[in-house]
Amino acid sequence: QQQVKQSPQSLIVQKGGIPIINCAYENTAFDYFPWYQQFPGKGPALLIAIRPDVSEKKEGRFTISFNKSAKQFSLHIMDSQPGDSATYFCARLSGNTGKLIFGQGTTLQVKP
Amino acid sequence: NAGVTQTPKFRILKIGQSMTLQCTQDMNHNYMYWYRQDPGMGLKLIYYSVGAGITDKGEVPNGYNVSRSTTEDFPLRLELAAPSQTSVYFCASSYEENYEQYFGPGTRLTVT
Repeated sequence: QQQVKQSPQSLIVQKGGIPIINCAYENTAFDYFPWYQQFPGKGPALLIAIRPDVSEKKEGRFTISFNKSAKQFSLHIMDSQPGDSATYFCARLSGNTGKLIFGQGTTLQVKP
Repeated sequence: NAGVTQTPKFRILKIGQSMTLQCTQDMNHNYMYWYRQDPGMGLKLIYYSVGAGITDKGEVPNGYNVSRSTTEDFPLRLELAAPSQTSVYFCASSYEENYEQYFGPGTRLTVT
């Protein structure tokens, strides 16, 4: 079973800080690396996604960095706000199976 | 559009009981999925469907059954509930396999 390893498990930052969440994957063919955001009591929702032919993607304060040679990708949240407090999941979607494999999740708390 | 809806929101089962978790989507998506979410474990795929009448096993299918008689509905059946099935269950749908997955609000199930 191909896995995605996510770290850290939890993260606390002050407002305005830049939390970074890292994910590592194994060597196989992937089409798509999405990040999902989940608030307590809600289902996950797509936040931002990247394909392996680009090294970085920005959407507002959220940036994905992709390092194909290291088989890693990271989520950076610029100028983090208390409203960003949530659980974040990285995932990979296999082009062969069309299935999403999720990382273990990172619970982020942004203190005011 | 209501998106993906799930019922019930909460349920407590006794060991050995059975129940059906309901999932409905109104986006005319072909693909539907069932995941379970356990603390610190991310989301694990239980079953998925690529269209009405077609279902397949995911990563953790044991103890569960599914059916897909219509495009809109994808119920998950638990037979002989066990404490190991205590979890939060999410249904999701997507237009095609490489497209964004939309998640429902979840069903929190406790088996005692």
